[in-house]
Amino acid sequence: EIVLTQSPATLCLSPGERATLSCRASQSVGRYLAWYQQKSGQAPRLLIYDASNRAPGIPARFSGSGSGTDFTLTISSLEPEDFAVYYCQQRSNWPPLTFGGGTKVEIK
Amino acid sequence: EVQLVESGGGLVQPGGSLRLSCEASGFTFSSYWMSWVRQAPGKGLEWVANIKQDGSEKYYVDSVKGRFTISRDNAKNSLYLQMNSLRAEDTAVFYCARDPIVAGQPGAFDYWGQGTLVTVSS
Repeated sequence: EIVLTQSPATLCLSPGERATLSCRASQSVGRYLAWYQQKSGQAPRLLIYDASNRAPGIPARFSGSGSGTDFTLTISSLEPEDFAVYYCQQRSNWPPLTFGGGTKVEIK
Repeated sequence: EVQLVESGGGLVQPGGSLRLSCEASGFTFSSYWMSWVRQAPGKGLEWVANIKQDGSEKYYVDSVKGRFTISRDNAKNSLYLQMNSLRAEDTAVFYCARDPIVAGQPGAFDYWGQGTLVTVSS
């Protein structure tokens, strides 16, 4: 099973700041990594698939990078609606499909 | 508009059974893999199971193998999860998610339902 480790667990930032979230895989997942956003009480939403492809309707301030075992989600300038929990997920080697433990982006 | 609506959650005693349903609309259901993903209260996301378009392939996370069964009825645009021998640790919100083929394989969930809560407690 591929284990995904996200860091930091919590990120405290102000609106307008840049957010950098990390996801590290226990073995290579190639580029088969996705990022999801989940707001409180809501279902997750797909932001990025295959490491760097934005899902339809996702604003350009969200970008993904990386390959192999190290991946980054960057939010270039935080909007008030971006404060949420973010999960990475791999589909390289499955079953099982696995998620990281999440990074909470909260308002400073 | 793609919609996924789960139902069937509720309170069940340990050892009991429950059947979840997910009704899909706004897309050609029979063309997509589908998954169930769960989230325990205050915890992260855990993939539970998925099923191929025609139901010929099904995969499960180890913790539910032999207890849960995923199925679908393409004529009814519906996905199901039969859950038997439920345990306290199965308590979670269960989401159904559309699981499109991207670059040759499934596993990137592009649409999610709002979830249904399953509580296993005596």
